[in-house]
Amino acid sequence: GQNIDQPTEMTATEGAIVQINCTYQTSGFNGLFWYQQHAGEAPTFLSYNVLDGLEEKGRFSSFLSRSKGYSYLLLKELQMKDSASYLCAVAFFKAAGNKLTFGGGTRVLVKP
Amino acid sequence: SQTIHQWPATLVQPVGSPLSLECTVEGTSNPNLYWYRQAAGRGLQLLFYSVGIGQISSEVPQNLSASRPQDRQFILSSKKLLLSDSGFYLCAWSHGPTDTQYFGPGTRLTVL
Repeated sequence: GQNIDQPTEMTATEGAIVQINCTYQTSGFNGLFWYQQHAGEAPTFLSYNVLDGLEEKGRFSSFLSRSKGYSYLLLKELQMKDSASYLCAVAFFKAAGNKLTFGGGTRVLVKP
Repeated sequence: SQTIHQWPATLVQPVGSPLSLECTVEGTSNPNLYWYRQAAGRGLQLLFYSVGIGQISSEVPQNLSASRPQDRQFILSSKKLLLSDSGFYLCAWSHGPTDTQYFGPGTRLTVL
């Protein structure tokens, strides 16, 4: 299977930086996605890594290292609205569909 | 632009009753469609995916089934609900098998 591990919960202060790690035990996947999910709502797409390295999108950046089997999501200049769960998912692209396997998610609590 | 709808938003059903959840996508044609379930405090689990009308792939054995009667309509059904079917059901779509998945607002199902 594709075990995907993320920390369950993290706490950070408004304005700070938080790094959410995602480790996986799988290979041959096509890419790695990060989604944000506020409580009671649907996940929204944040970022996608195909190649190793850093992808930057404003305050959010995502990094992938296939050789080391991990990814991280970096949230800068934290705002209160960033309090949410962050989901890591590995993707296998097949003709029959794009199969995403999700980790359990990391709940981030931003404190003033 | 594309939008995805799910209904109902919430549902409370007794054990043993049938289920029908609907998902529709607007603003695109021939999307890839997906059904996920998120049990309380757990990650997203892919249940079914479809690349076209009448084409359904199942990920996990269960008492649920899916159908795609029209290009942009995806239905999740059960003949007899179990307590363990409670959860947050999310429909998602993508342009193709290699594209980002976008989630609908979800249906929160409680089986009593």
